[in-house]
Amino acid sequence: DIQMTQSPSTLFASVGDRVTITCRASQSISRWLAWYQQKPGKAPKLLIYKASSLDSGVPSRFSGSGSGTGFTLTISSLQPDDFATYYCQQYNSYSLTFGGGTKVEIK
Amino acid sequence: VELVESGGGLIQPGGSLRLSCAASGFTVSGNYMSWVRQAPGKGLEWVSVIYTGGSTYYADSVKGRFTISRDNSKNTLYLQMNSLRAEDTAVYYCARGGGIAAAVHYAMDVWGQGTTVTVSS
Repeated sequence: DIQMTQSPSTLFASVGDRVTITCRASQSISRWLAWYQQKPGKAPKLLIYKASSLDSGVPSRFSGSGSGTGFTLTISSLQPDDFATYYCQQYNSYSLTFGGGTKVEIK
Repeated sequence: VELVESGGGLIQPGGSLRLSCAASGFTVSGNYMSWVRQAPGKGLEWVSVIYTGGSTYYADSVKGRFTISRDNSKNTLYLQMNSLRAEDTAVYYCARGGGIAAAVHYAMDVWGQGTTVTVSS
């Protein structure tokens, strides 16, 4: 199975900060990488698919980049609603895998 | 476009449970459909997917114990869970997507609210 490694596991930031989360795949997944946001007690929400495509309705302060084995999620200016946990997921194989998650907390 | 899960509950180790996921606004038969779970305080774990053609795939942790299926007439996805273990305790989400095709792969773009399964004696 393809392993997905996210870093950091926790990130402390302030409103207005630029935030970057990294995800690494154990083998090439081309650009078949998604990012999800999850808030406590809620279902995950798709933010980005195919590494850099923004899902419908997602604010433009979110962006994704990368290909192969290295990917990043960037929030250009952190807003109060963005404090949440973020997961990457590869969907390049029949067996899907998620990263361990990055919790974005208030500094 | 909505998914609504049901069927969770408290079950003893070794027991069985069937989860349901009713879809509206789209057809389960025309989409790849997945189950994802989240143990208390833990991250997301992919469980299973059913393809439009009926092919099914499972995580190693549930292979041989869980079965994914769908009823097209009811537009509903199911997860039959047998031989349940304490480590199967989690919130189970159904989601649209999670499949790969020749040229296009599908992320999970619609999620249900989740149903809680607790395996304990």
